[in-house]
Amino acid sequence: GAGVSQSPSNKVTEKGKDVELRCDPISGHTALYWYRQSLGQGLEFLIYFQGNSAPDKSGLPSDRFSAERTGGSVSTLTIQRTQQEDSAVYLCASSSGQGKNQPQHFGDGTRLSIL
Amino acid sequence: KQEVTQIPAALSVPEGENLVLNCSFTDSAIYNLQWFRQDPGKGLTSLLLIQSSQREQTSGRLNASLDKSSGRSTLYIAASQPGDSATYLCAVSIIQGAQKLVFGQGTRLTINP
Repeated sequence: GAGVSQSPSNKVTEKGKDVELRCDPISGHTALYWYRQSLGQGLEFLIYFQGNSAPDKSGLPSDRFSAERTGGSVSTLTIQRTQQEDSAVYLCASSSGQGKNQPQHFGDGTRLSIL
Repeated sequence: KQEVTQIPAALSVPEGENLVLNCSFTDSAIYNLQWFRQDPGKGLTSLLLIQSSQREQTSGRLNASLDKSSGRSTLYIAASQPGDSATYLCAVSIIQGAQKLVFGQGTRLTINP
């Protein structure tokens, strides 16, 4: 079956612009995660959605970052007024959400470059 | 704060060798530990998940062990092949909310033909 799909695969934009990254999780998966992978910081958690519960936003690095999940499926991560330090690979993952020991399945990521 | 460390950062071995990758974590309050593989320009592929109550998991030539009390895990790869070349990441699912994963920095593995 289809895995986690992310778009675009690459995004280059100028400093100060807003960007939107999209994640389409595995069908039926209720849990959705966003992570950021950068050279200096490794892989770090950003935000978590589970069903209709309030999202866990504890990993968002600043108020320029926001995310939403519409209809319990597709999610978009928005970065406003981008800065050069936002350059990274943004990875989305989903899991079935059933119990504590379900593996997270990752998409191929969006490589974001801020000029 | 949970911290995950992987040693070594890079490893290069000839084809056919058995090898061990190491992972350590500072807080034993975890649901599970996962080992992932990442190929260049790609996302993460889940290899093995060990629940906190388990000691090991096996899949084909891969065997992962977990010693939660000492905060250690190992990934054993038997009879390595060039196709095993990738970066291997371990991550723990922390109990304090969200089951988010905390990752190590990874081990970059190269298998030489």
